[in-house]
Amino acid sequence: QVTLKESGPVLVKPTETLTLTCTVSGFSLSNARMGVSWIRQPPGKALEWLAHIYSNDEKSYFRSLRNRLTISKDTAKSQVVLTMTNMDPVDTATYYCARRTGSSASDPFDIWGQGTMVTVSS
Amino acid sequence: SYELTQPPSVSVSPGQTATITCSGDKLGDKYVCWYQQKPGQSPVVVIYQDTKRPSGIPERISGSNSGNTATLTISGTQTMDEADYYCQAWDSSTGVVFGGGTKLTVL
Repeated sequence: QVTLKESGPVLVKPTETLTLTCTVSGFSLSNARMGVSWIRQPPGKALEWLAHIYSNDEKSYFRSLRNRLTISKDTAKSQVVLTMTNMDPVDTATYYCARRTGSSASDPFDIWGQGTMVTVSS
Repeated sequence: SYELTQPPSVSVSPGQTATITCSGDKLGDKYVCWYQQKPGQSPVVVIYQDTKRPSGIPERISGSNSGNTATLTISGTQTMDEADYYCQAWDSSTGVVFGGGTKLTVL
């Protein structure tokens, strides 16, 4: 069974750095057809893609947040990590990790984690 | 940056056909996915590559994409179809793009 599970702090203060971990099971992050994205959703609002990491360690970022985001992976631990610097209350959202299967950037996110809610407040 | 536009809400009577649109510049030249998200749950892909259904998605859910508009069609709509629906595409300069979402109400 393929699963993804997000973990990280529930509450962060403004200006702090957020670190989220996505632990995957049922597939390998070294599989050439697998990649993992981070996607967030502010309360009551739409989905917003943040970053993606491919099996070959290539990365892509949402242009508007590129300077604040870093995505990385530890294949041996089956984990994908996202860091976001200089957090602001507008970053309050549920953060999802999702698997993309296929060799094209147009392929769908076929499996999603349950999401983790992060609140930014002093 | 590339944008996808969806109507905020669509209402349909049970048994009728629901149509949800997604508009973007030359969207027909890109592949579109559709996700269903029920309250408190994670999104689930219901259509990918414009028209394909993942296993387990009923045949009454279909998709099309041409020109500047992609369309999600749900035939014989049921109360279980009530959810938010998001279109998604990939743009070479923007990356992964989601539409603003459409709340489907079955009443």
